[in-house]
Amino acid sequence: QAVVTQEPSLTVSPGGTVTLTCGSSTGAVTSGHYPCWFQQKPGQAPRTLIFDTRNKHSWTPARFSGSLLGGKAALTLSGAQPEDEADYYCLLSYSGARVFGGGTKLTVL
Amino acid sequence: EVQLVQSGAEVKKPGESLKISCKGSGYSFTTHWIAWVRQMPGKGLEWMGIIYPGDSDTRYSPSFQGQVTISADKSITTAYLQWSSLKASDTAMYYCARPDGGLGFWGQGTLVTVSS
Repeated sequence: QAVVTQEPSLTVSPGGTVTLTCGSSTGAVTSGHYPCWFQQKPGQAPRTLIFDTRNKHSWTPARFSGSLLGGKAALTLSGAQPEDEADYYCLLSYSGARVFGGGTKLTVL
Repeated sequence: EVQLVQSGAEVKKPGESLKISCKGSGYSFTTHWIAWVRQMPGKGLEWMGIIYPGDSDTRYSPSFQGQVTISADKSITTAYLQWSSLKASDTAMYYCARPDGGLGFWGQGTLVTVSS
């Protein structure tokens, strides 16, 4: 089974920009992995922010965006808010099988 | 409104069996996959498997194959996750989710605690 890697932790200043990445042990992440990004706050179920690389849900704040960057999937937060402090997970699809990354704990400080 | 409502928290002893549920409403239950996701205490999300209630086509993550059984009863629009013999290491929060738009809809989670 593939291993999906994320930064364990990142810190961003309020109003700042940060990029979280999602890599695959099998090689470059492509749109064919249908990368998704989830946000989870303490005591809450996760919610999807980005699906299929860059698509947003109606509830996804405009400051979040998804892309492919340097062979990885990327989630960029532009203009960080205190409420963005959370755990972020990516999910990649491998011909139907799906694997989560280990998650990134984002601190807004 | 799409809703996935999970059964309540469970406290079990090692070796006991358990079946937790996820009831879907507000959409066509038989034409959308349902996934199960584990989150152990203080840890990340793990993909367990997925079922298509229309024909019960089920696919397991290799880590969970043979450890759990995923099933669905389309007559009552409910998916299930079951164990035949629980271990302490099964202690976790379990989520069901509908994999459309990523995992666009999530249940509220079922906390399973296995302790002697």
